Amino acid sequence: DAGITQSPRYKITETGRQVTLMCHQTWSHSYMFWYRQDLGHGLRLIYYSAAADITDKGEVPDGYVVSRSKTENFPLTLESATRSQTSVYFCASNGQGAYEQYFGPGTRLTVT
Amino acid sequence: GQQLNQSPQSMFIQEGEDVSMNCTSSSIFNTWLWYKQDPGEGPVLLIALYKAGELTSNGRLTAQFGITRKDSFLNISASIPSDVGIYFCAGLFGGNQFYFGTGTSLTVIP
Repeated sequence: DAGITQSPRYKITETGRQVTLMCHQTWSHSYMFWYRQDLGHGLRLIYYSAAADITDKGEVPDGYVVSRSKTENFPLTLESATRSQTSVYFCASNGQGAYEQYFGPGTRLTVT
Repeated sequence: GQQLNQSPQSMFIQEGEDVSMNCTSSSIFNTWLWYKQDPGEGPVLLIALYKAGELTSNGRLTAQFGITRKDSFLNISASIPSDVGIYFCAGLFGGNQFYFGTGTSLTVIP
């Protein structure tokens, strides 16, 4: 029982490339979230989803695209990666009516 | 976005000592969560607080939801080496958006 997984765990890409980070949860949680973690900023919300086909912007959505065709998956796409998007990305989820968020192990992305 | 001020930024303590850290904001939050993060891993939920004044324990950890709803506190009693890590507070503002503090880095000296 994996809970919440992210892939890849590490990724190096070049400026301008498209990159997709994957998130998969096995709890059937309604809500899923993408955060980025940077020194000095803590965790900042990029996008979240309340259910399949429902997504909404967080605090720092520019340059990112999300989709949620299935409840268990919530991919994050950087359409044209920039160096400022070098960061550690975390996916999280929580169930309907619950506020405890559970995090995946993270993806460390480097944009060169 | 909402600002959460977490202090102290870092702590160096002897094994066996108690630890206190806090999180403050200018805004009112409806829920407070406390997380611990080990290097290279995702944050792990420690304690959730839902009501102003609420005091909740999880083993050696105790957290409180401030009565003004603008702050929260986390205490760790009798620290041990495995307590090392970064502790984050998170406050729920509005519907389902959490805002995170910048973390308190804890080092426990054996």
